[in-house]
Amino acid sequence: NFVLTQPHSVSESPGRTVTISCTRSSGGVASSYVQWYQQRPGSAPTTVIYENEQRPSEVPDRFSGSIDISSNSASLTISGLKTEDEADYYCQSYDSNNQDVFGGGTKVTVL
Amino acid sequence: QVQLQESGPGLVKPSETLSLTCTVSGDSISSHYWSWIRQPPGKGLEWIGHIYYNGRTNYNPSLKSRVTMSVDTSKKWFSLKLNSVTAADTAVYYCSRRNFRGVSDVWGQGTMVTVSS
Repeated sequence: NFVLTQPHSVSESPGRTVTISCTRSSGGVASSYVQWYQQRPGSAPTTVIYENEQRPSEVPDRFSGSIDISSNSASLTISGLKTEDEADYYCQSYDSNNQDVFGGGTKVTVL
Repeated sequence: QVQLQESGPGLVKPSETLSLTCTVSGDSISSHYWSWIRQPPGKGLEWIGHIYYNGRTNYNPSLKSRVTMSVDTSKKWFSLKLNSVTAADTAVYYCSRRNFRGVSDVWGQGTMVTVSS
């Protein structure tokens, strides 16, 4: 199985842009879809990006996702940062056996 | 609107079996995969496994020897059993609906299970 590695935390000021990386340890990042979940304290996760770059209709377009084959990683970018974006963010994918893998999570702090 | 609700004991003794049920409303259980995911206090998400409506299961290799999942399509619920629990199994347990492209698009609110004597 593979591991998804995320930075432990990132911080930025309101209105700025943050990018969270999610690096896959083995196997191609393009071989299975990557999702991103937002989890606020005390709440269940919700989907902010699915299938690498798709955004649920209720998620603001300040959130975007991408994958980079050269670095074997996925990224979540939040632009125009707002205090309400402060949360933990998890990437998730699955292997060839259809077994899910979560990244360790990244805490986003809005300064 | 699809809703999932976990239920089960909040306290389990060490070495005993943790049993949880997830009730599905607003959707047919005869589609999608149905997952269990847990989160120890202050830690990240861990996939436990998922089950398809026909009973086909897929478990996290690290937990496989202790996990059993089942589904009841007529009553619209699916369940998790984790045996021989220890304090390391203390966590919030979530159930979710997972599609064929790996997306858990609907989650239950989660239920805290503490393993303690």
